[in-house]
Amino acid sequence: DAKTTQPNSMESNEEEPVHLPCNHSTISGTDYIHWYRQLPSQGPEYVIHGLTSNVNNRMASLAIAEDRKSSTLILHRATLRDAAVYYCILRAVNNAGNMLTFGGGTRLMVKP
Amino acid sequence: GAGVSQSPRYKVAKRGQDVALRCDPISGHVSLFWYQQALGQGPEFLTYFQNEAQLDKSGLPSDRFFAERPEGSVSTLKIQRTQQEDSAVYLCASSFWGANTEAFFGQGTRLTVV
Repeated sequence: DAKTTQPNSMESNEEEPVHLPCNHSTISGTDYIHWYRQLPSQGPEYVIHGLTSNVNNRMASLAIAEDRKSSTLILHRATLRDAAVYYCILRAVNNAGNMLTFGGGTRLMVKP
Repeated sequence: GAGVSQSPRYKVAKRGQDVALRCDPISGHVSLFWYQQALGQGPEFLTYFQNEAQLDKSGLPSDRFFAERPEGSVSTLKIQRTQQEDSAVYLCASSFWGANTEAFFGQGTRLTVV
């Protein structure tokens, strides 16, 4: 499975936008880019996913580079509840299980 | 229920004891995954079911680990003769089939082997 690279940690101020980067230079043409987050003592929670075009939902936006070798998760106004570990994951179409392979993720800290 | 349910939430086992962890996926979800998460690490894949068929068990760390999903719904992860290194959170996830779908995770079972 293709791998992703994310910074270990990032800090943000409350109510400011946050841009969480992810590099996936070995992505294949049919891999979907998924983002999940994990709050303390919880299971991972789906945030957003996309293939080629930028995506928006009520939680976040996903900006995908034109060559698809990187993507950025955008939280428009960080709140204290957004403090979590954010995982960028490639989910392969041709993988029999379409499993999610997690890396180390980015720990986001939000300061009041 | 509306989400993936795992039980028990916490389990303390003596070394050498067998344990069984249960996962109730969302109704209608074909795909079911088990993950193991050590403290401070990301979840590591253990095994995958498509309905009742176990299509991938490449992540199971030893033959002491066994998973089943006999009717394509509820799944059980069994660990025989538990060791201290088995202490971790065990996560279950379910989804419709396909890479373009959202996976839903349970809260996990925290296993502590003493």
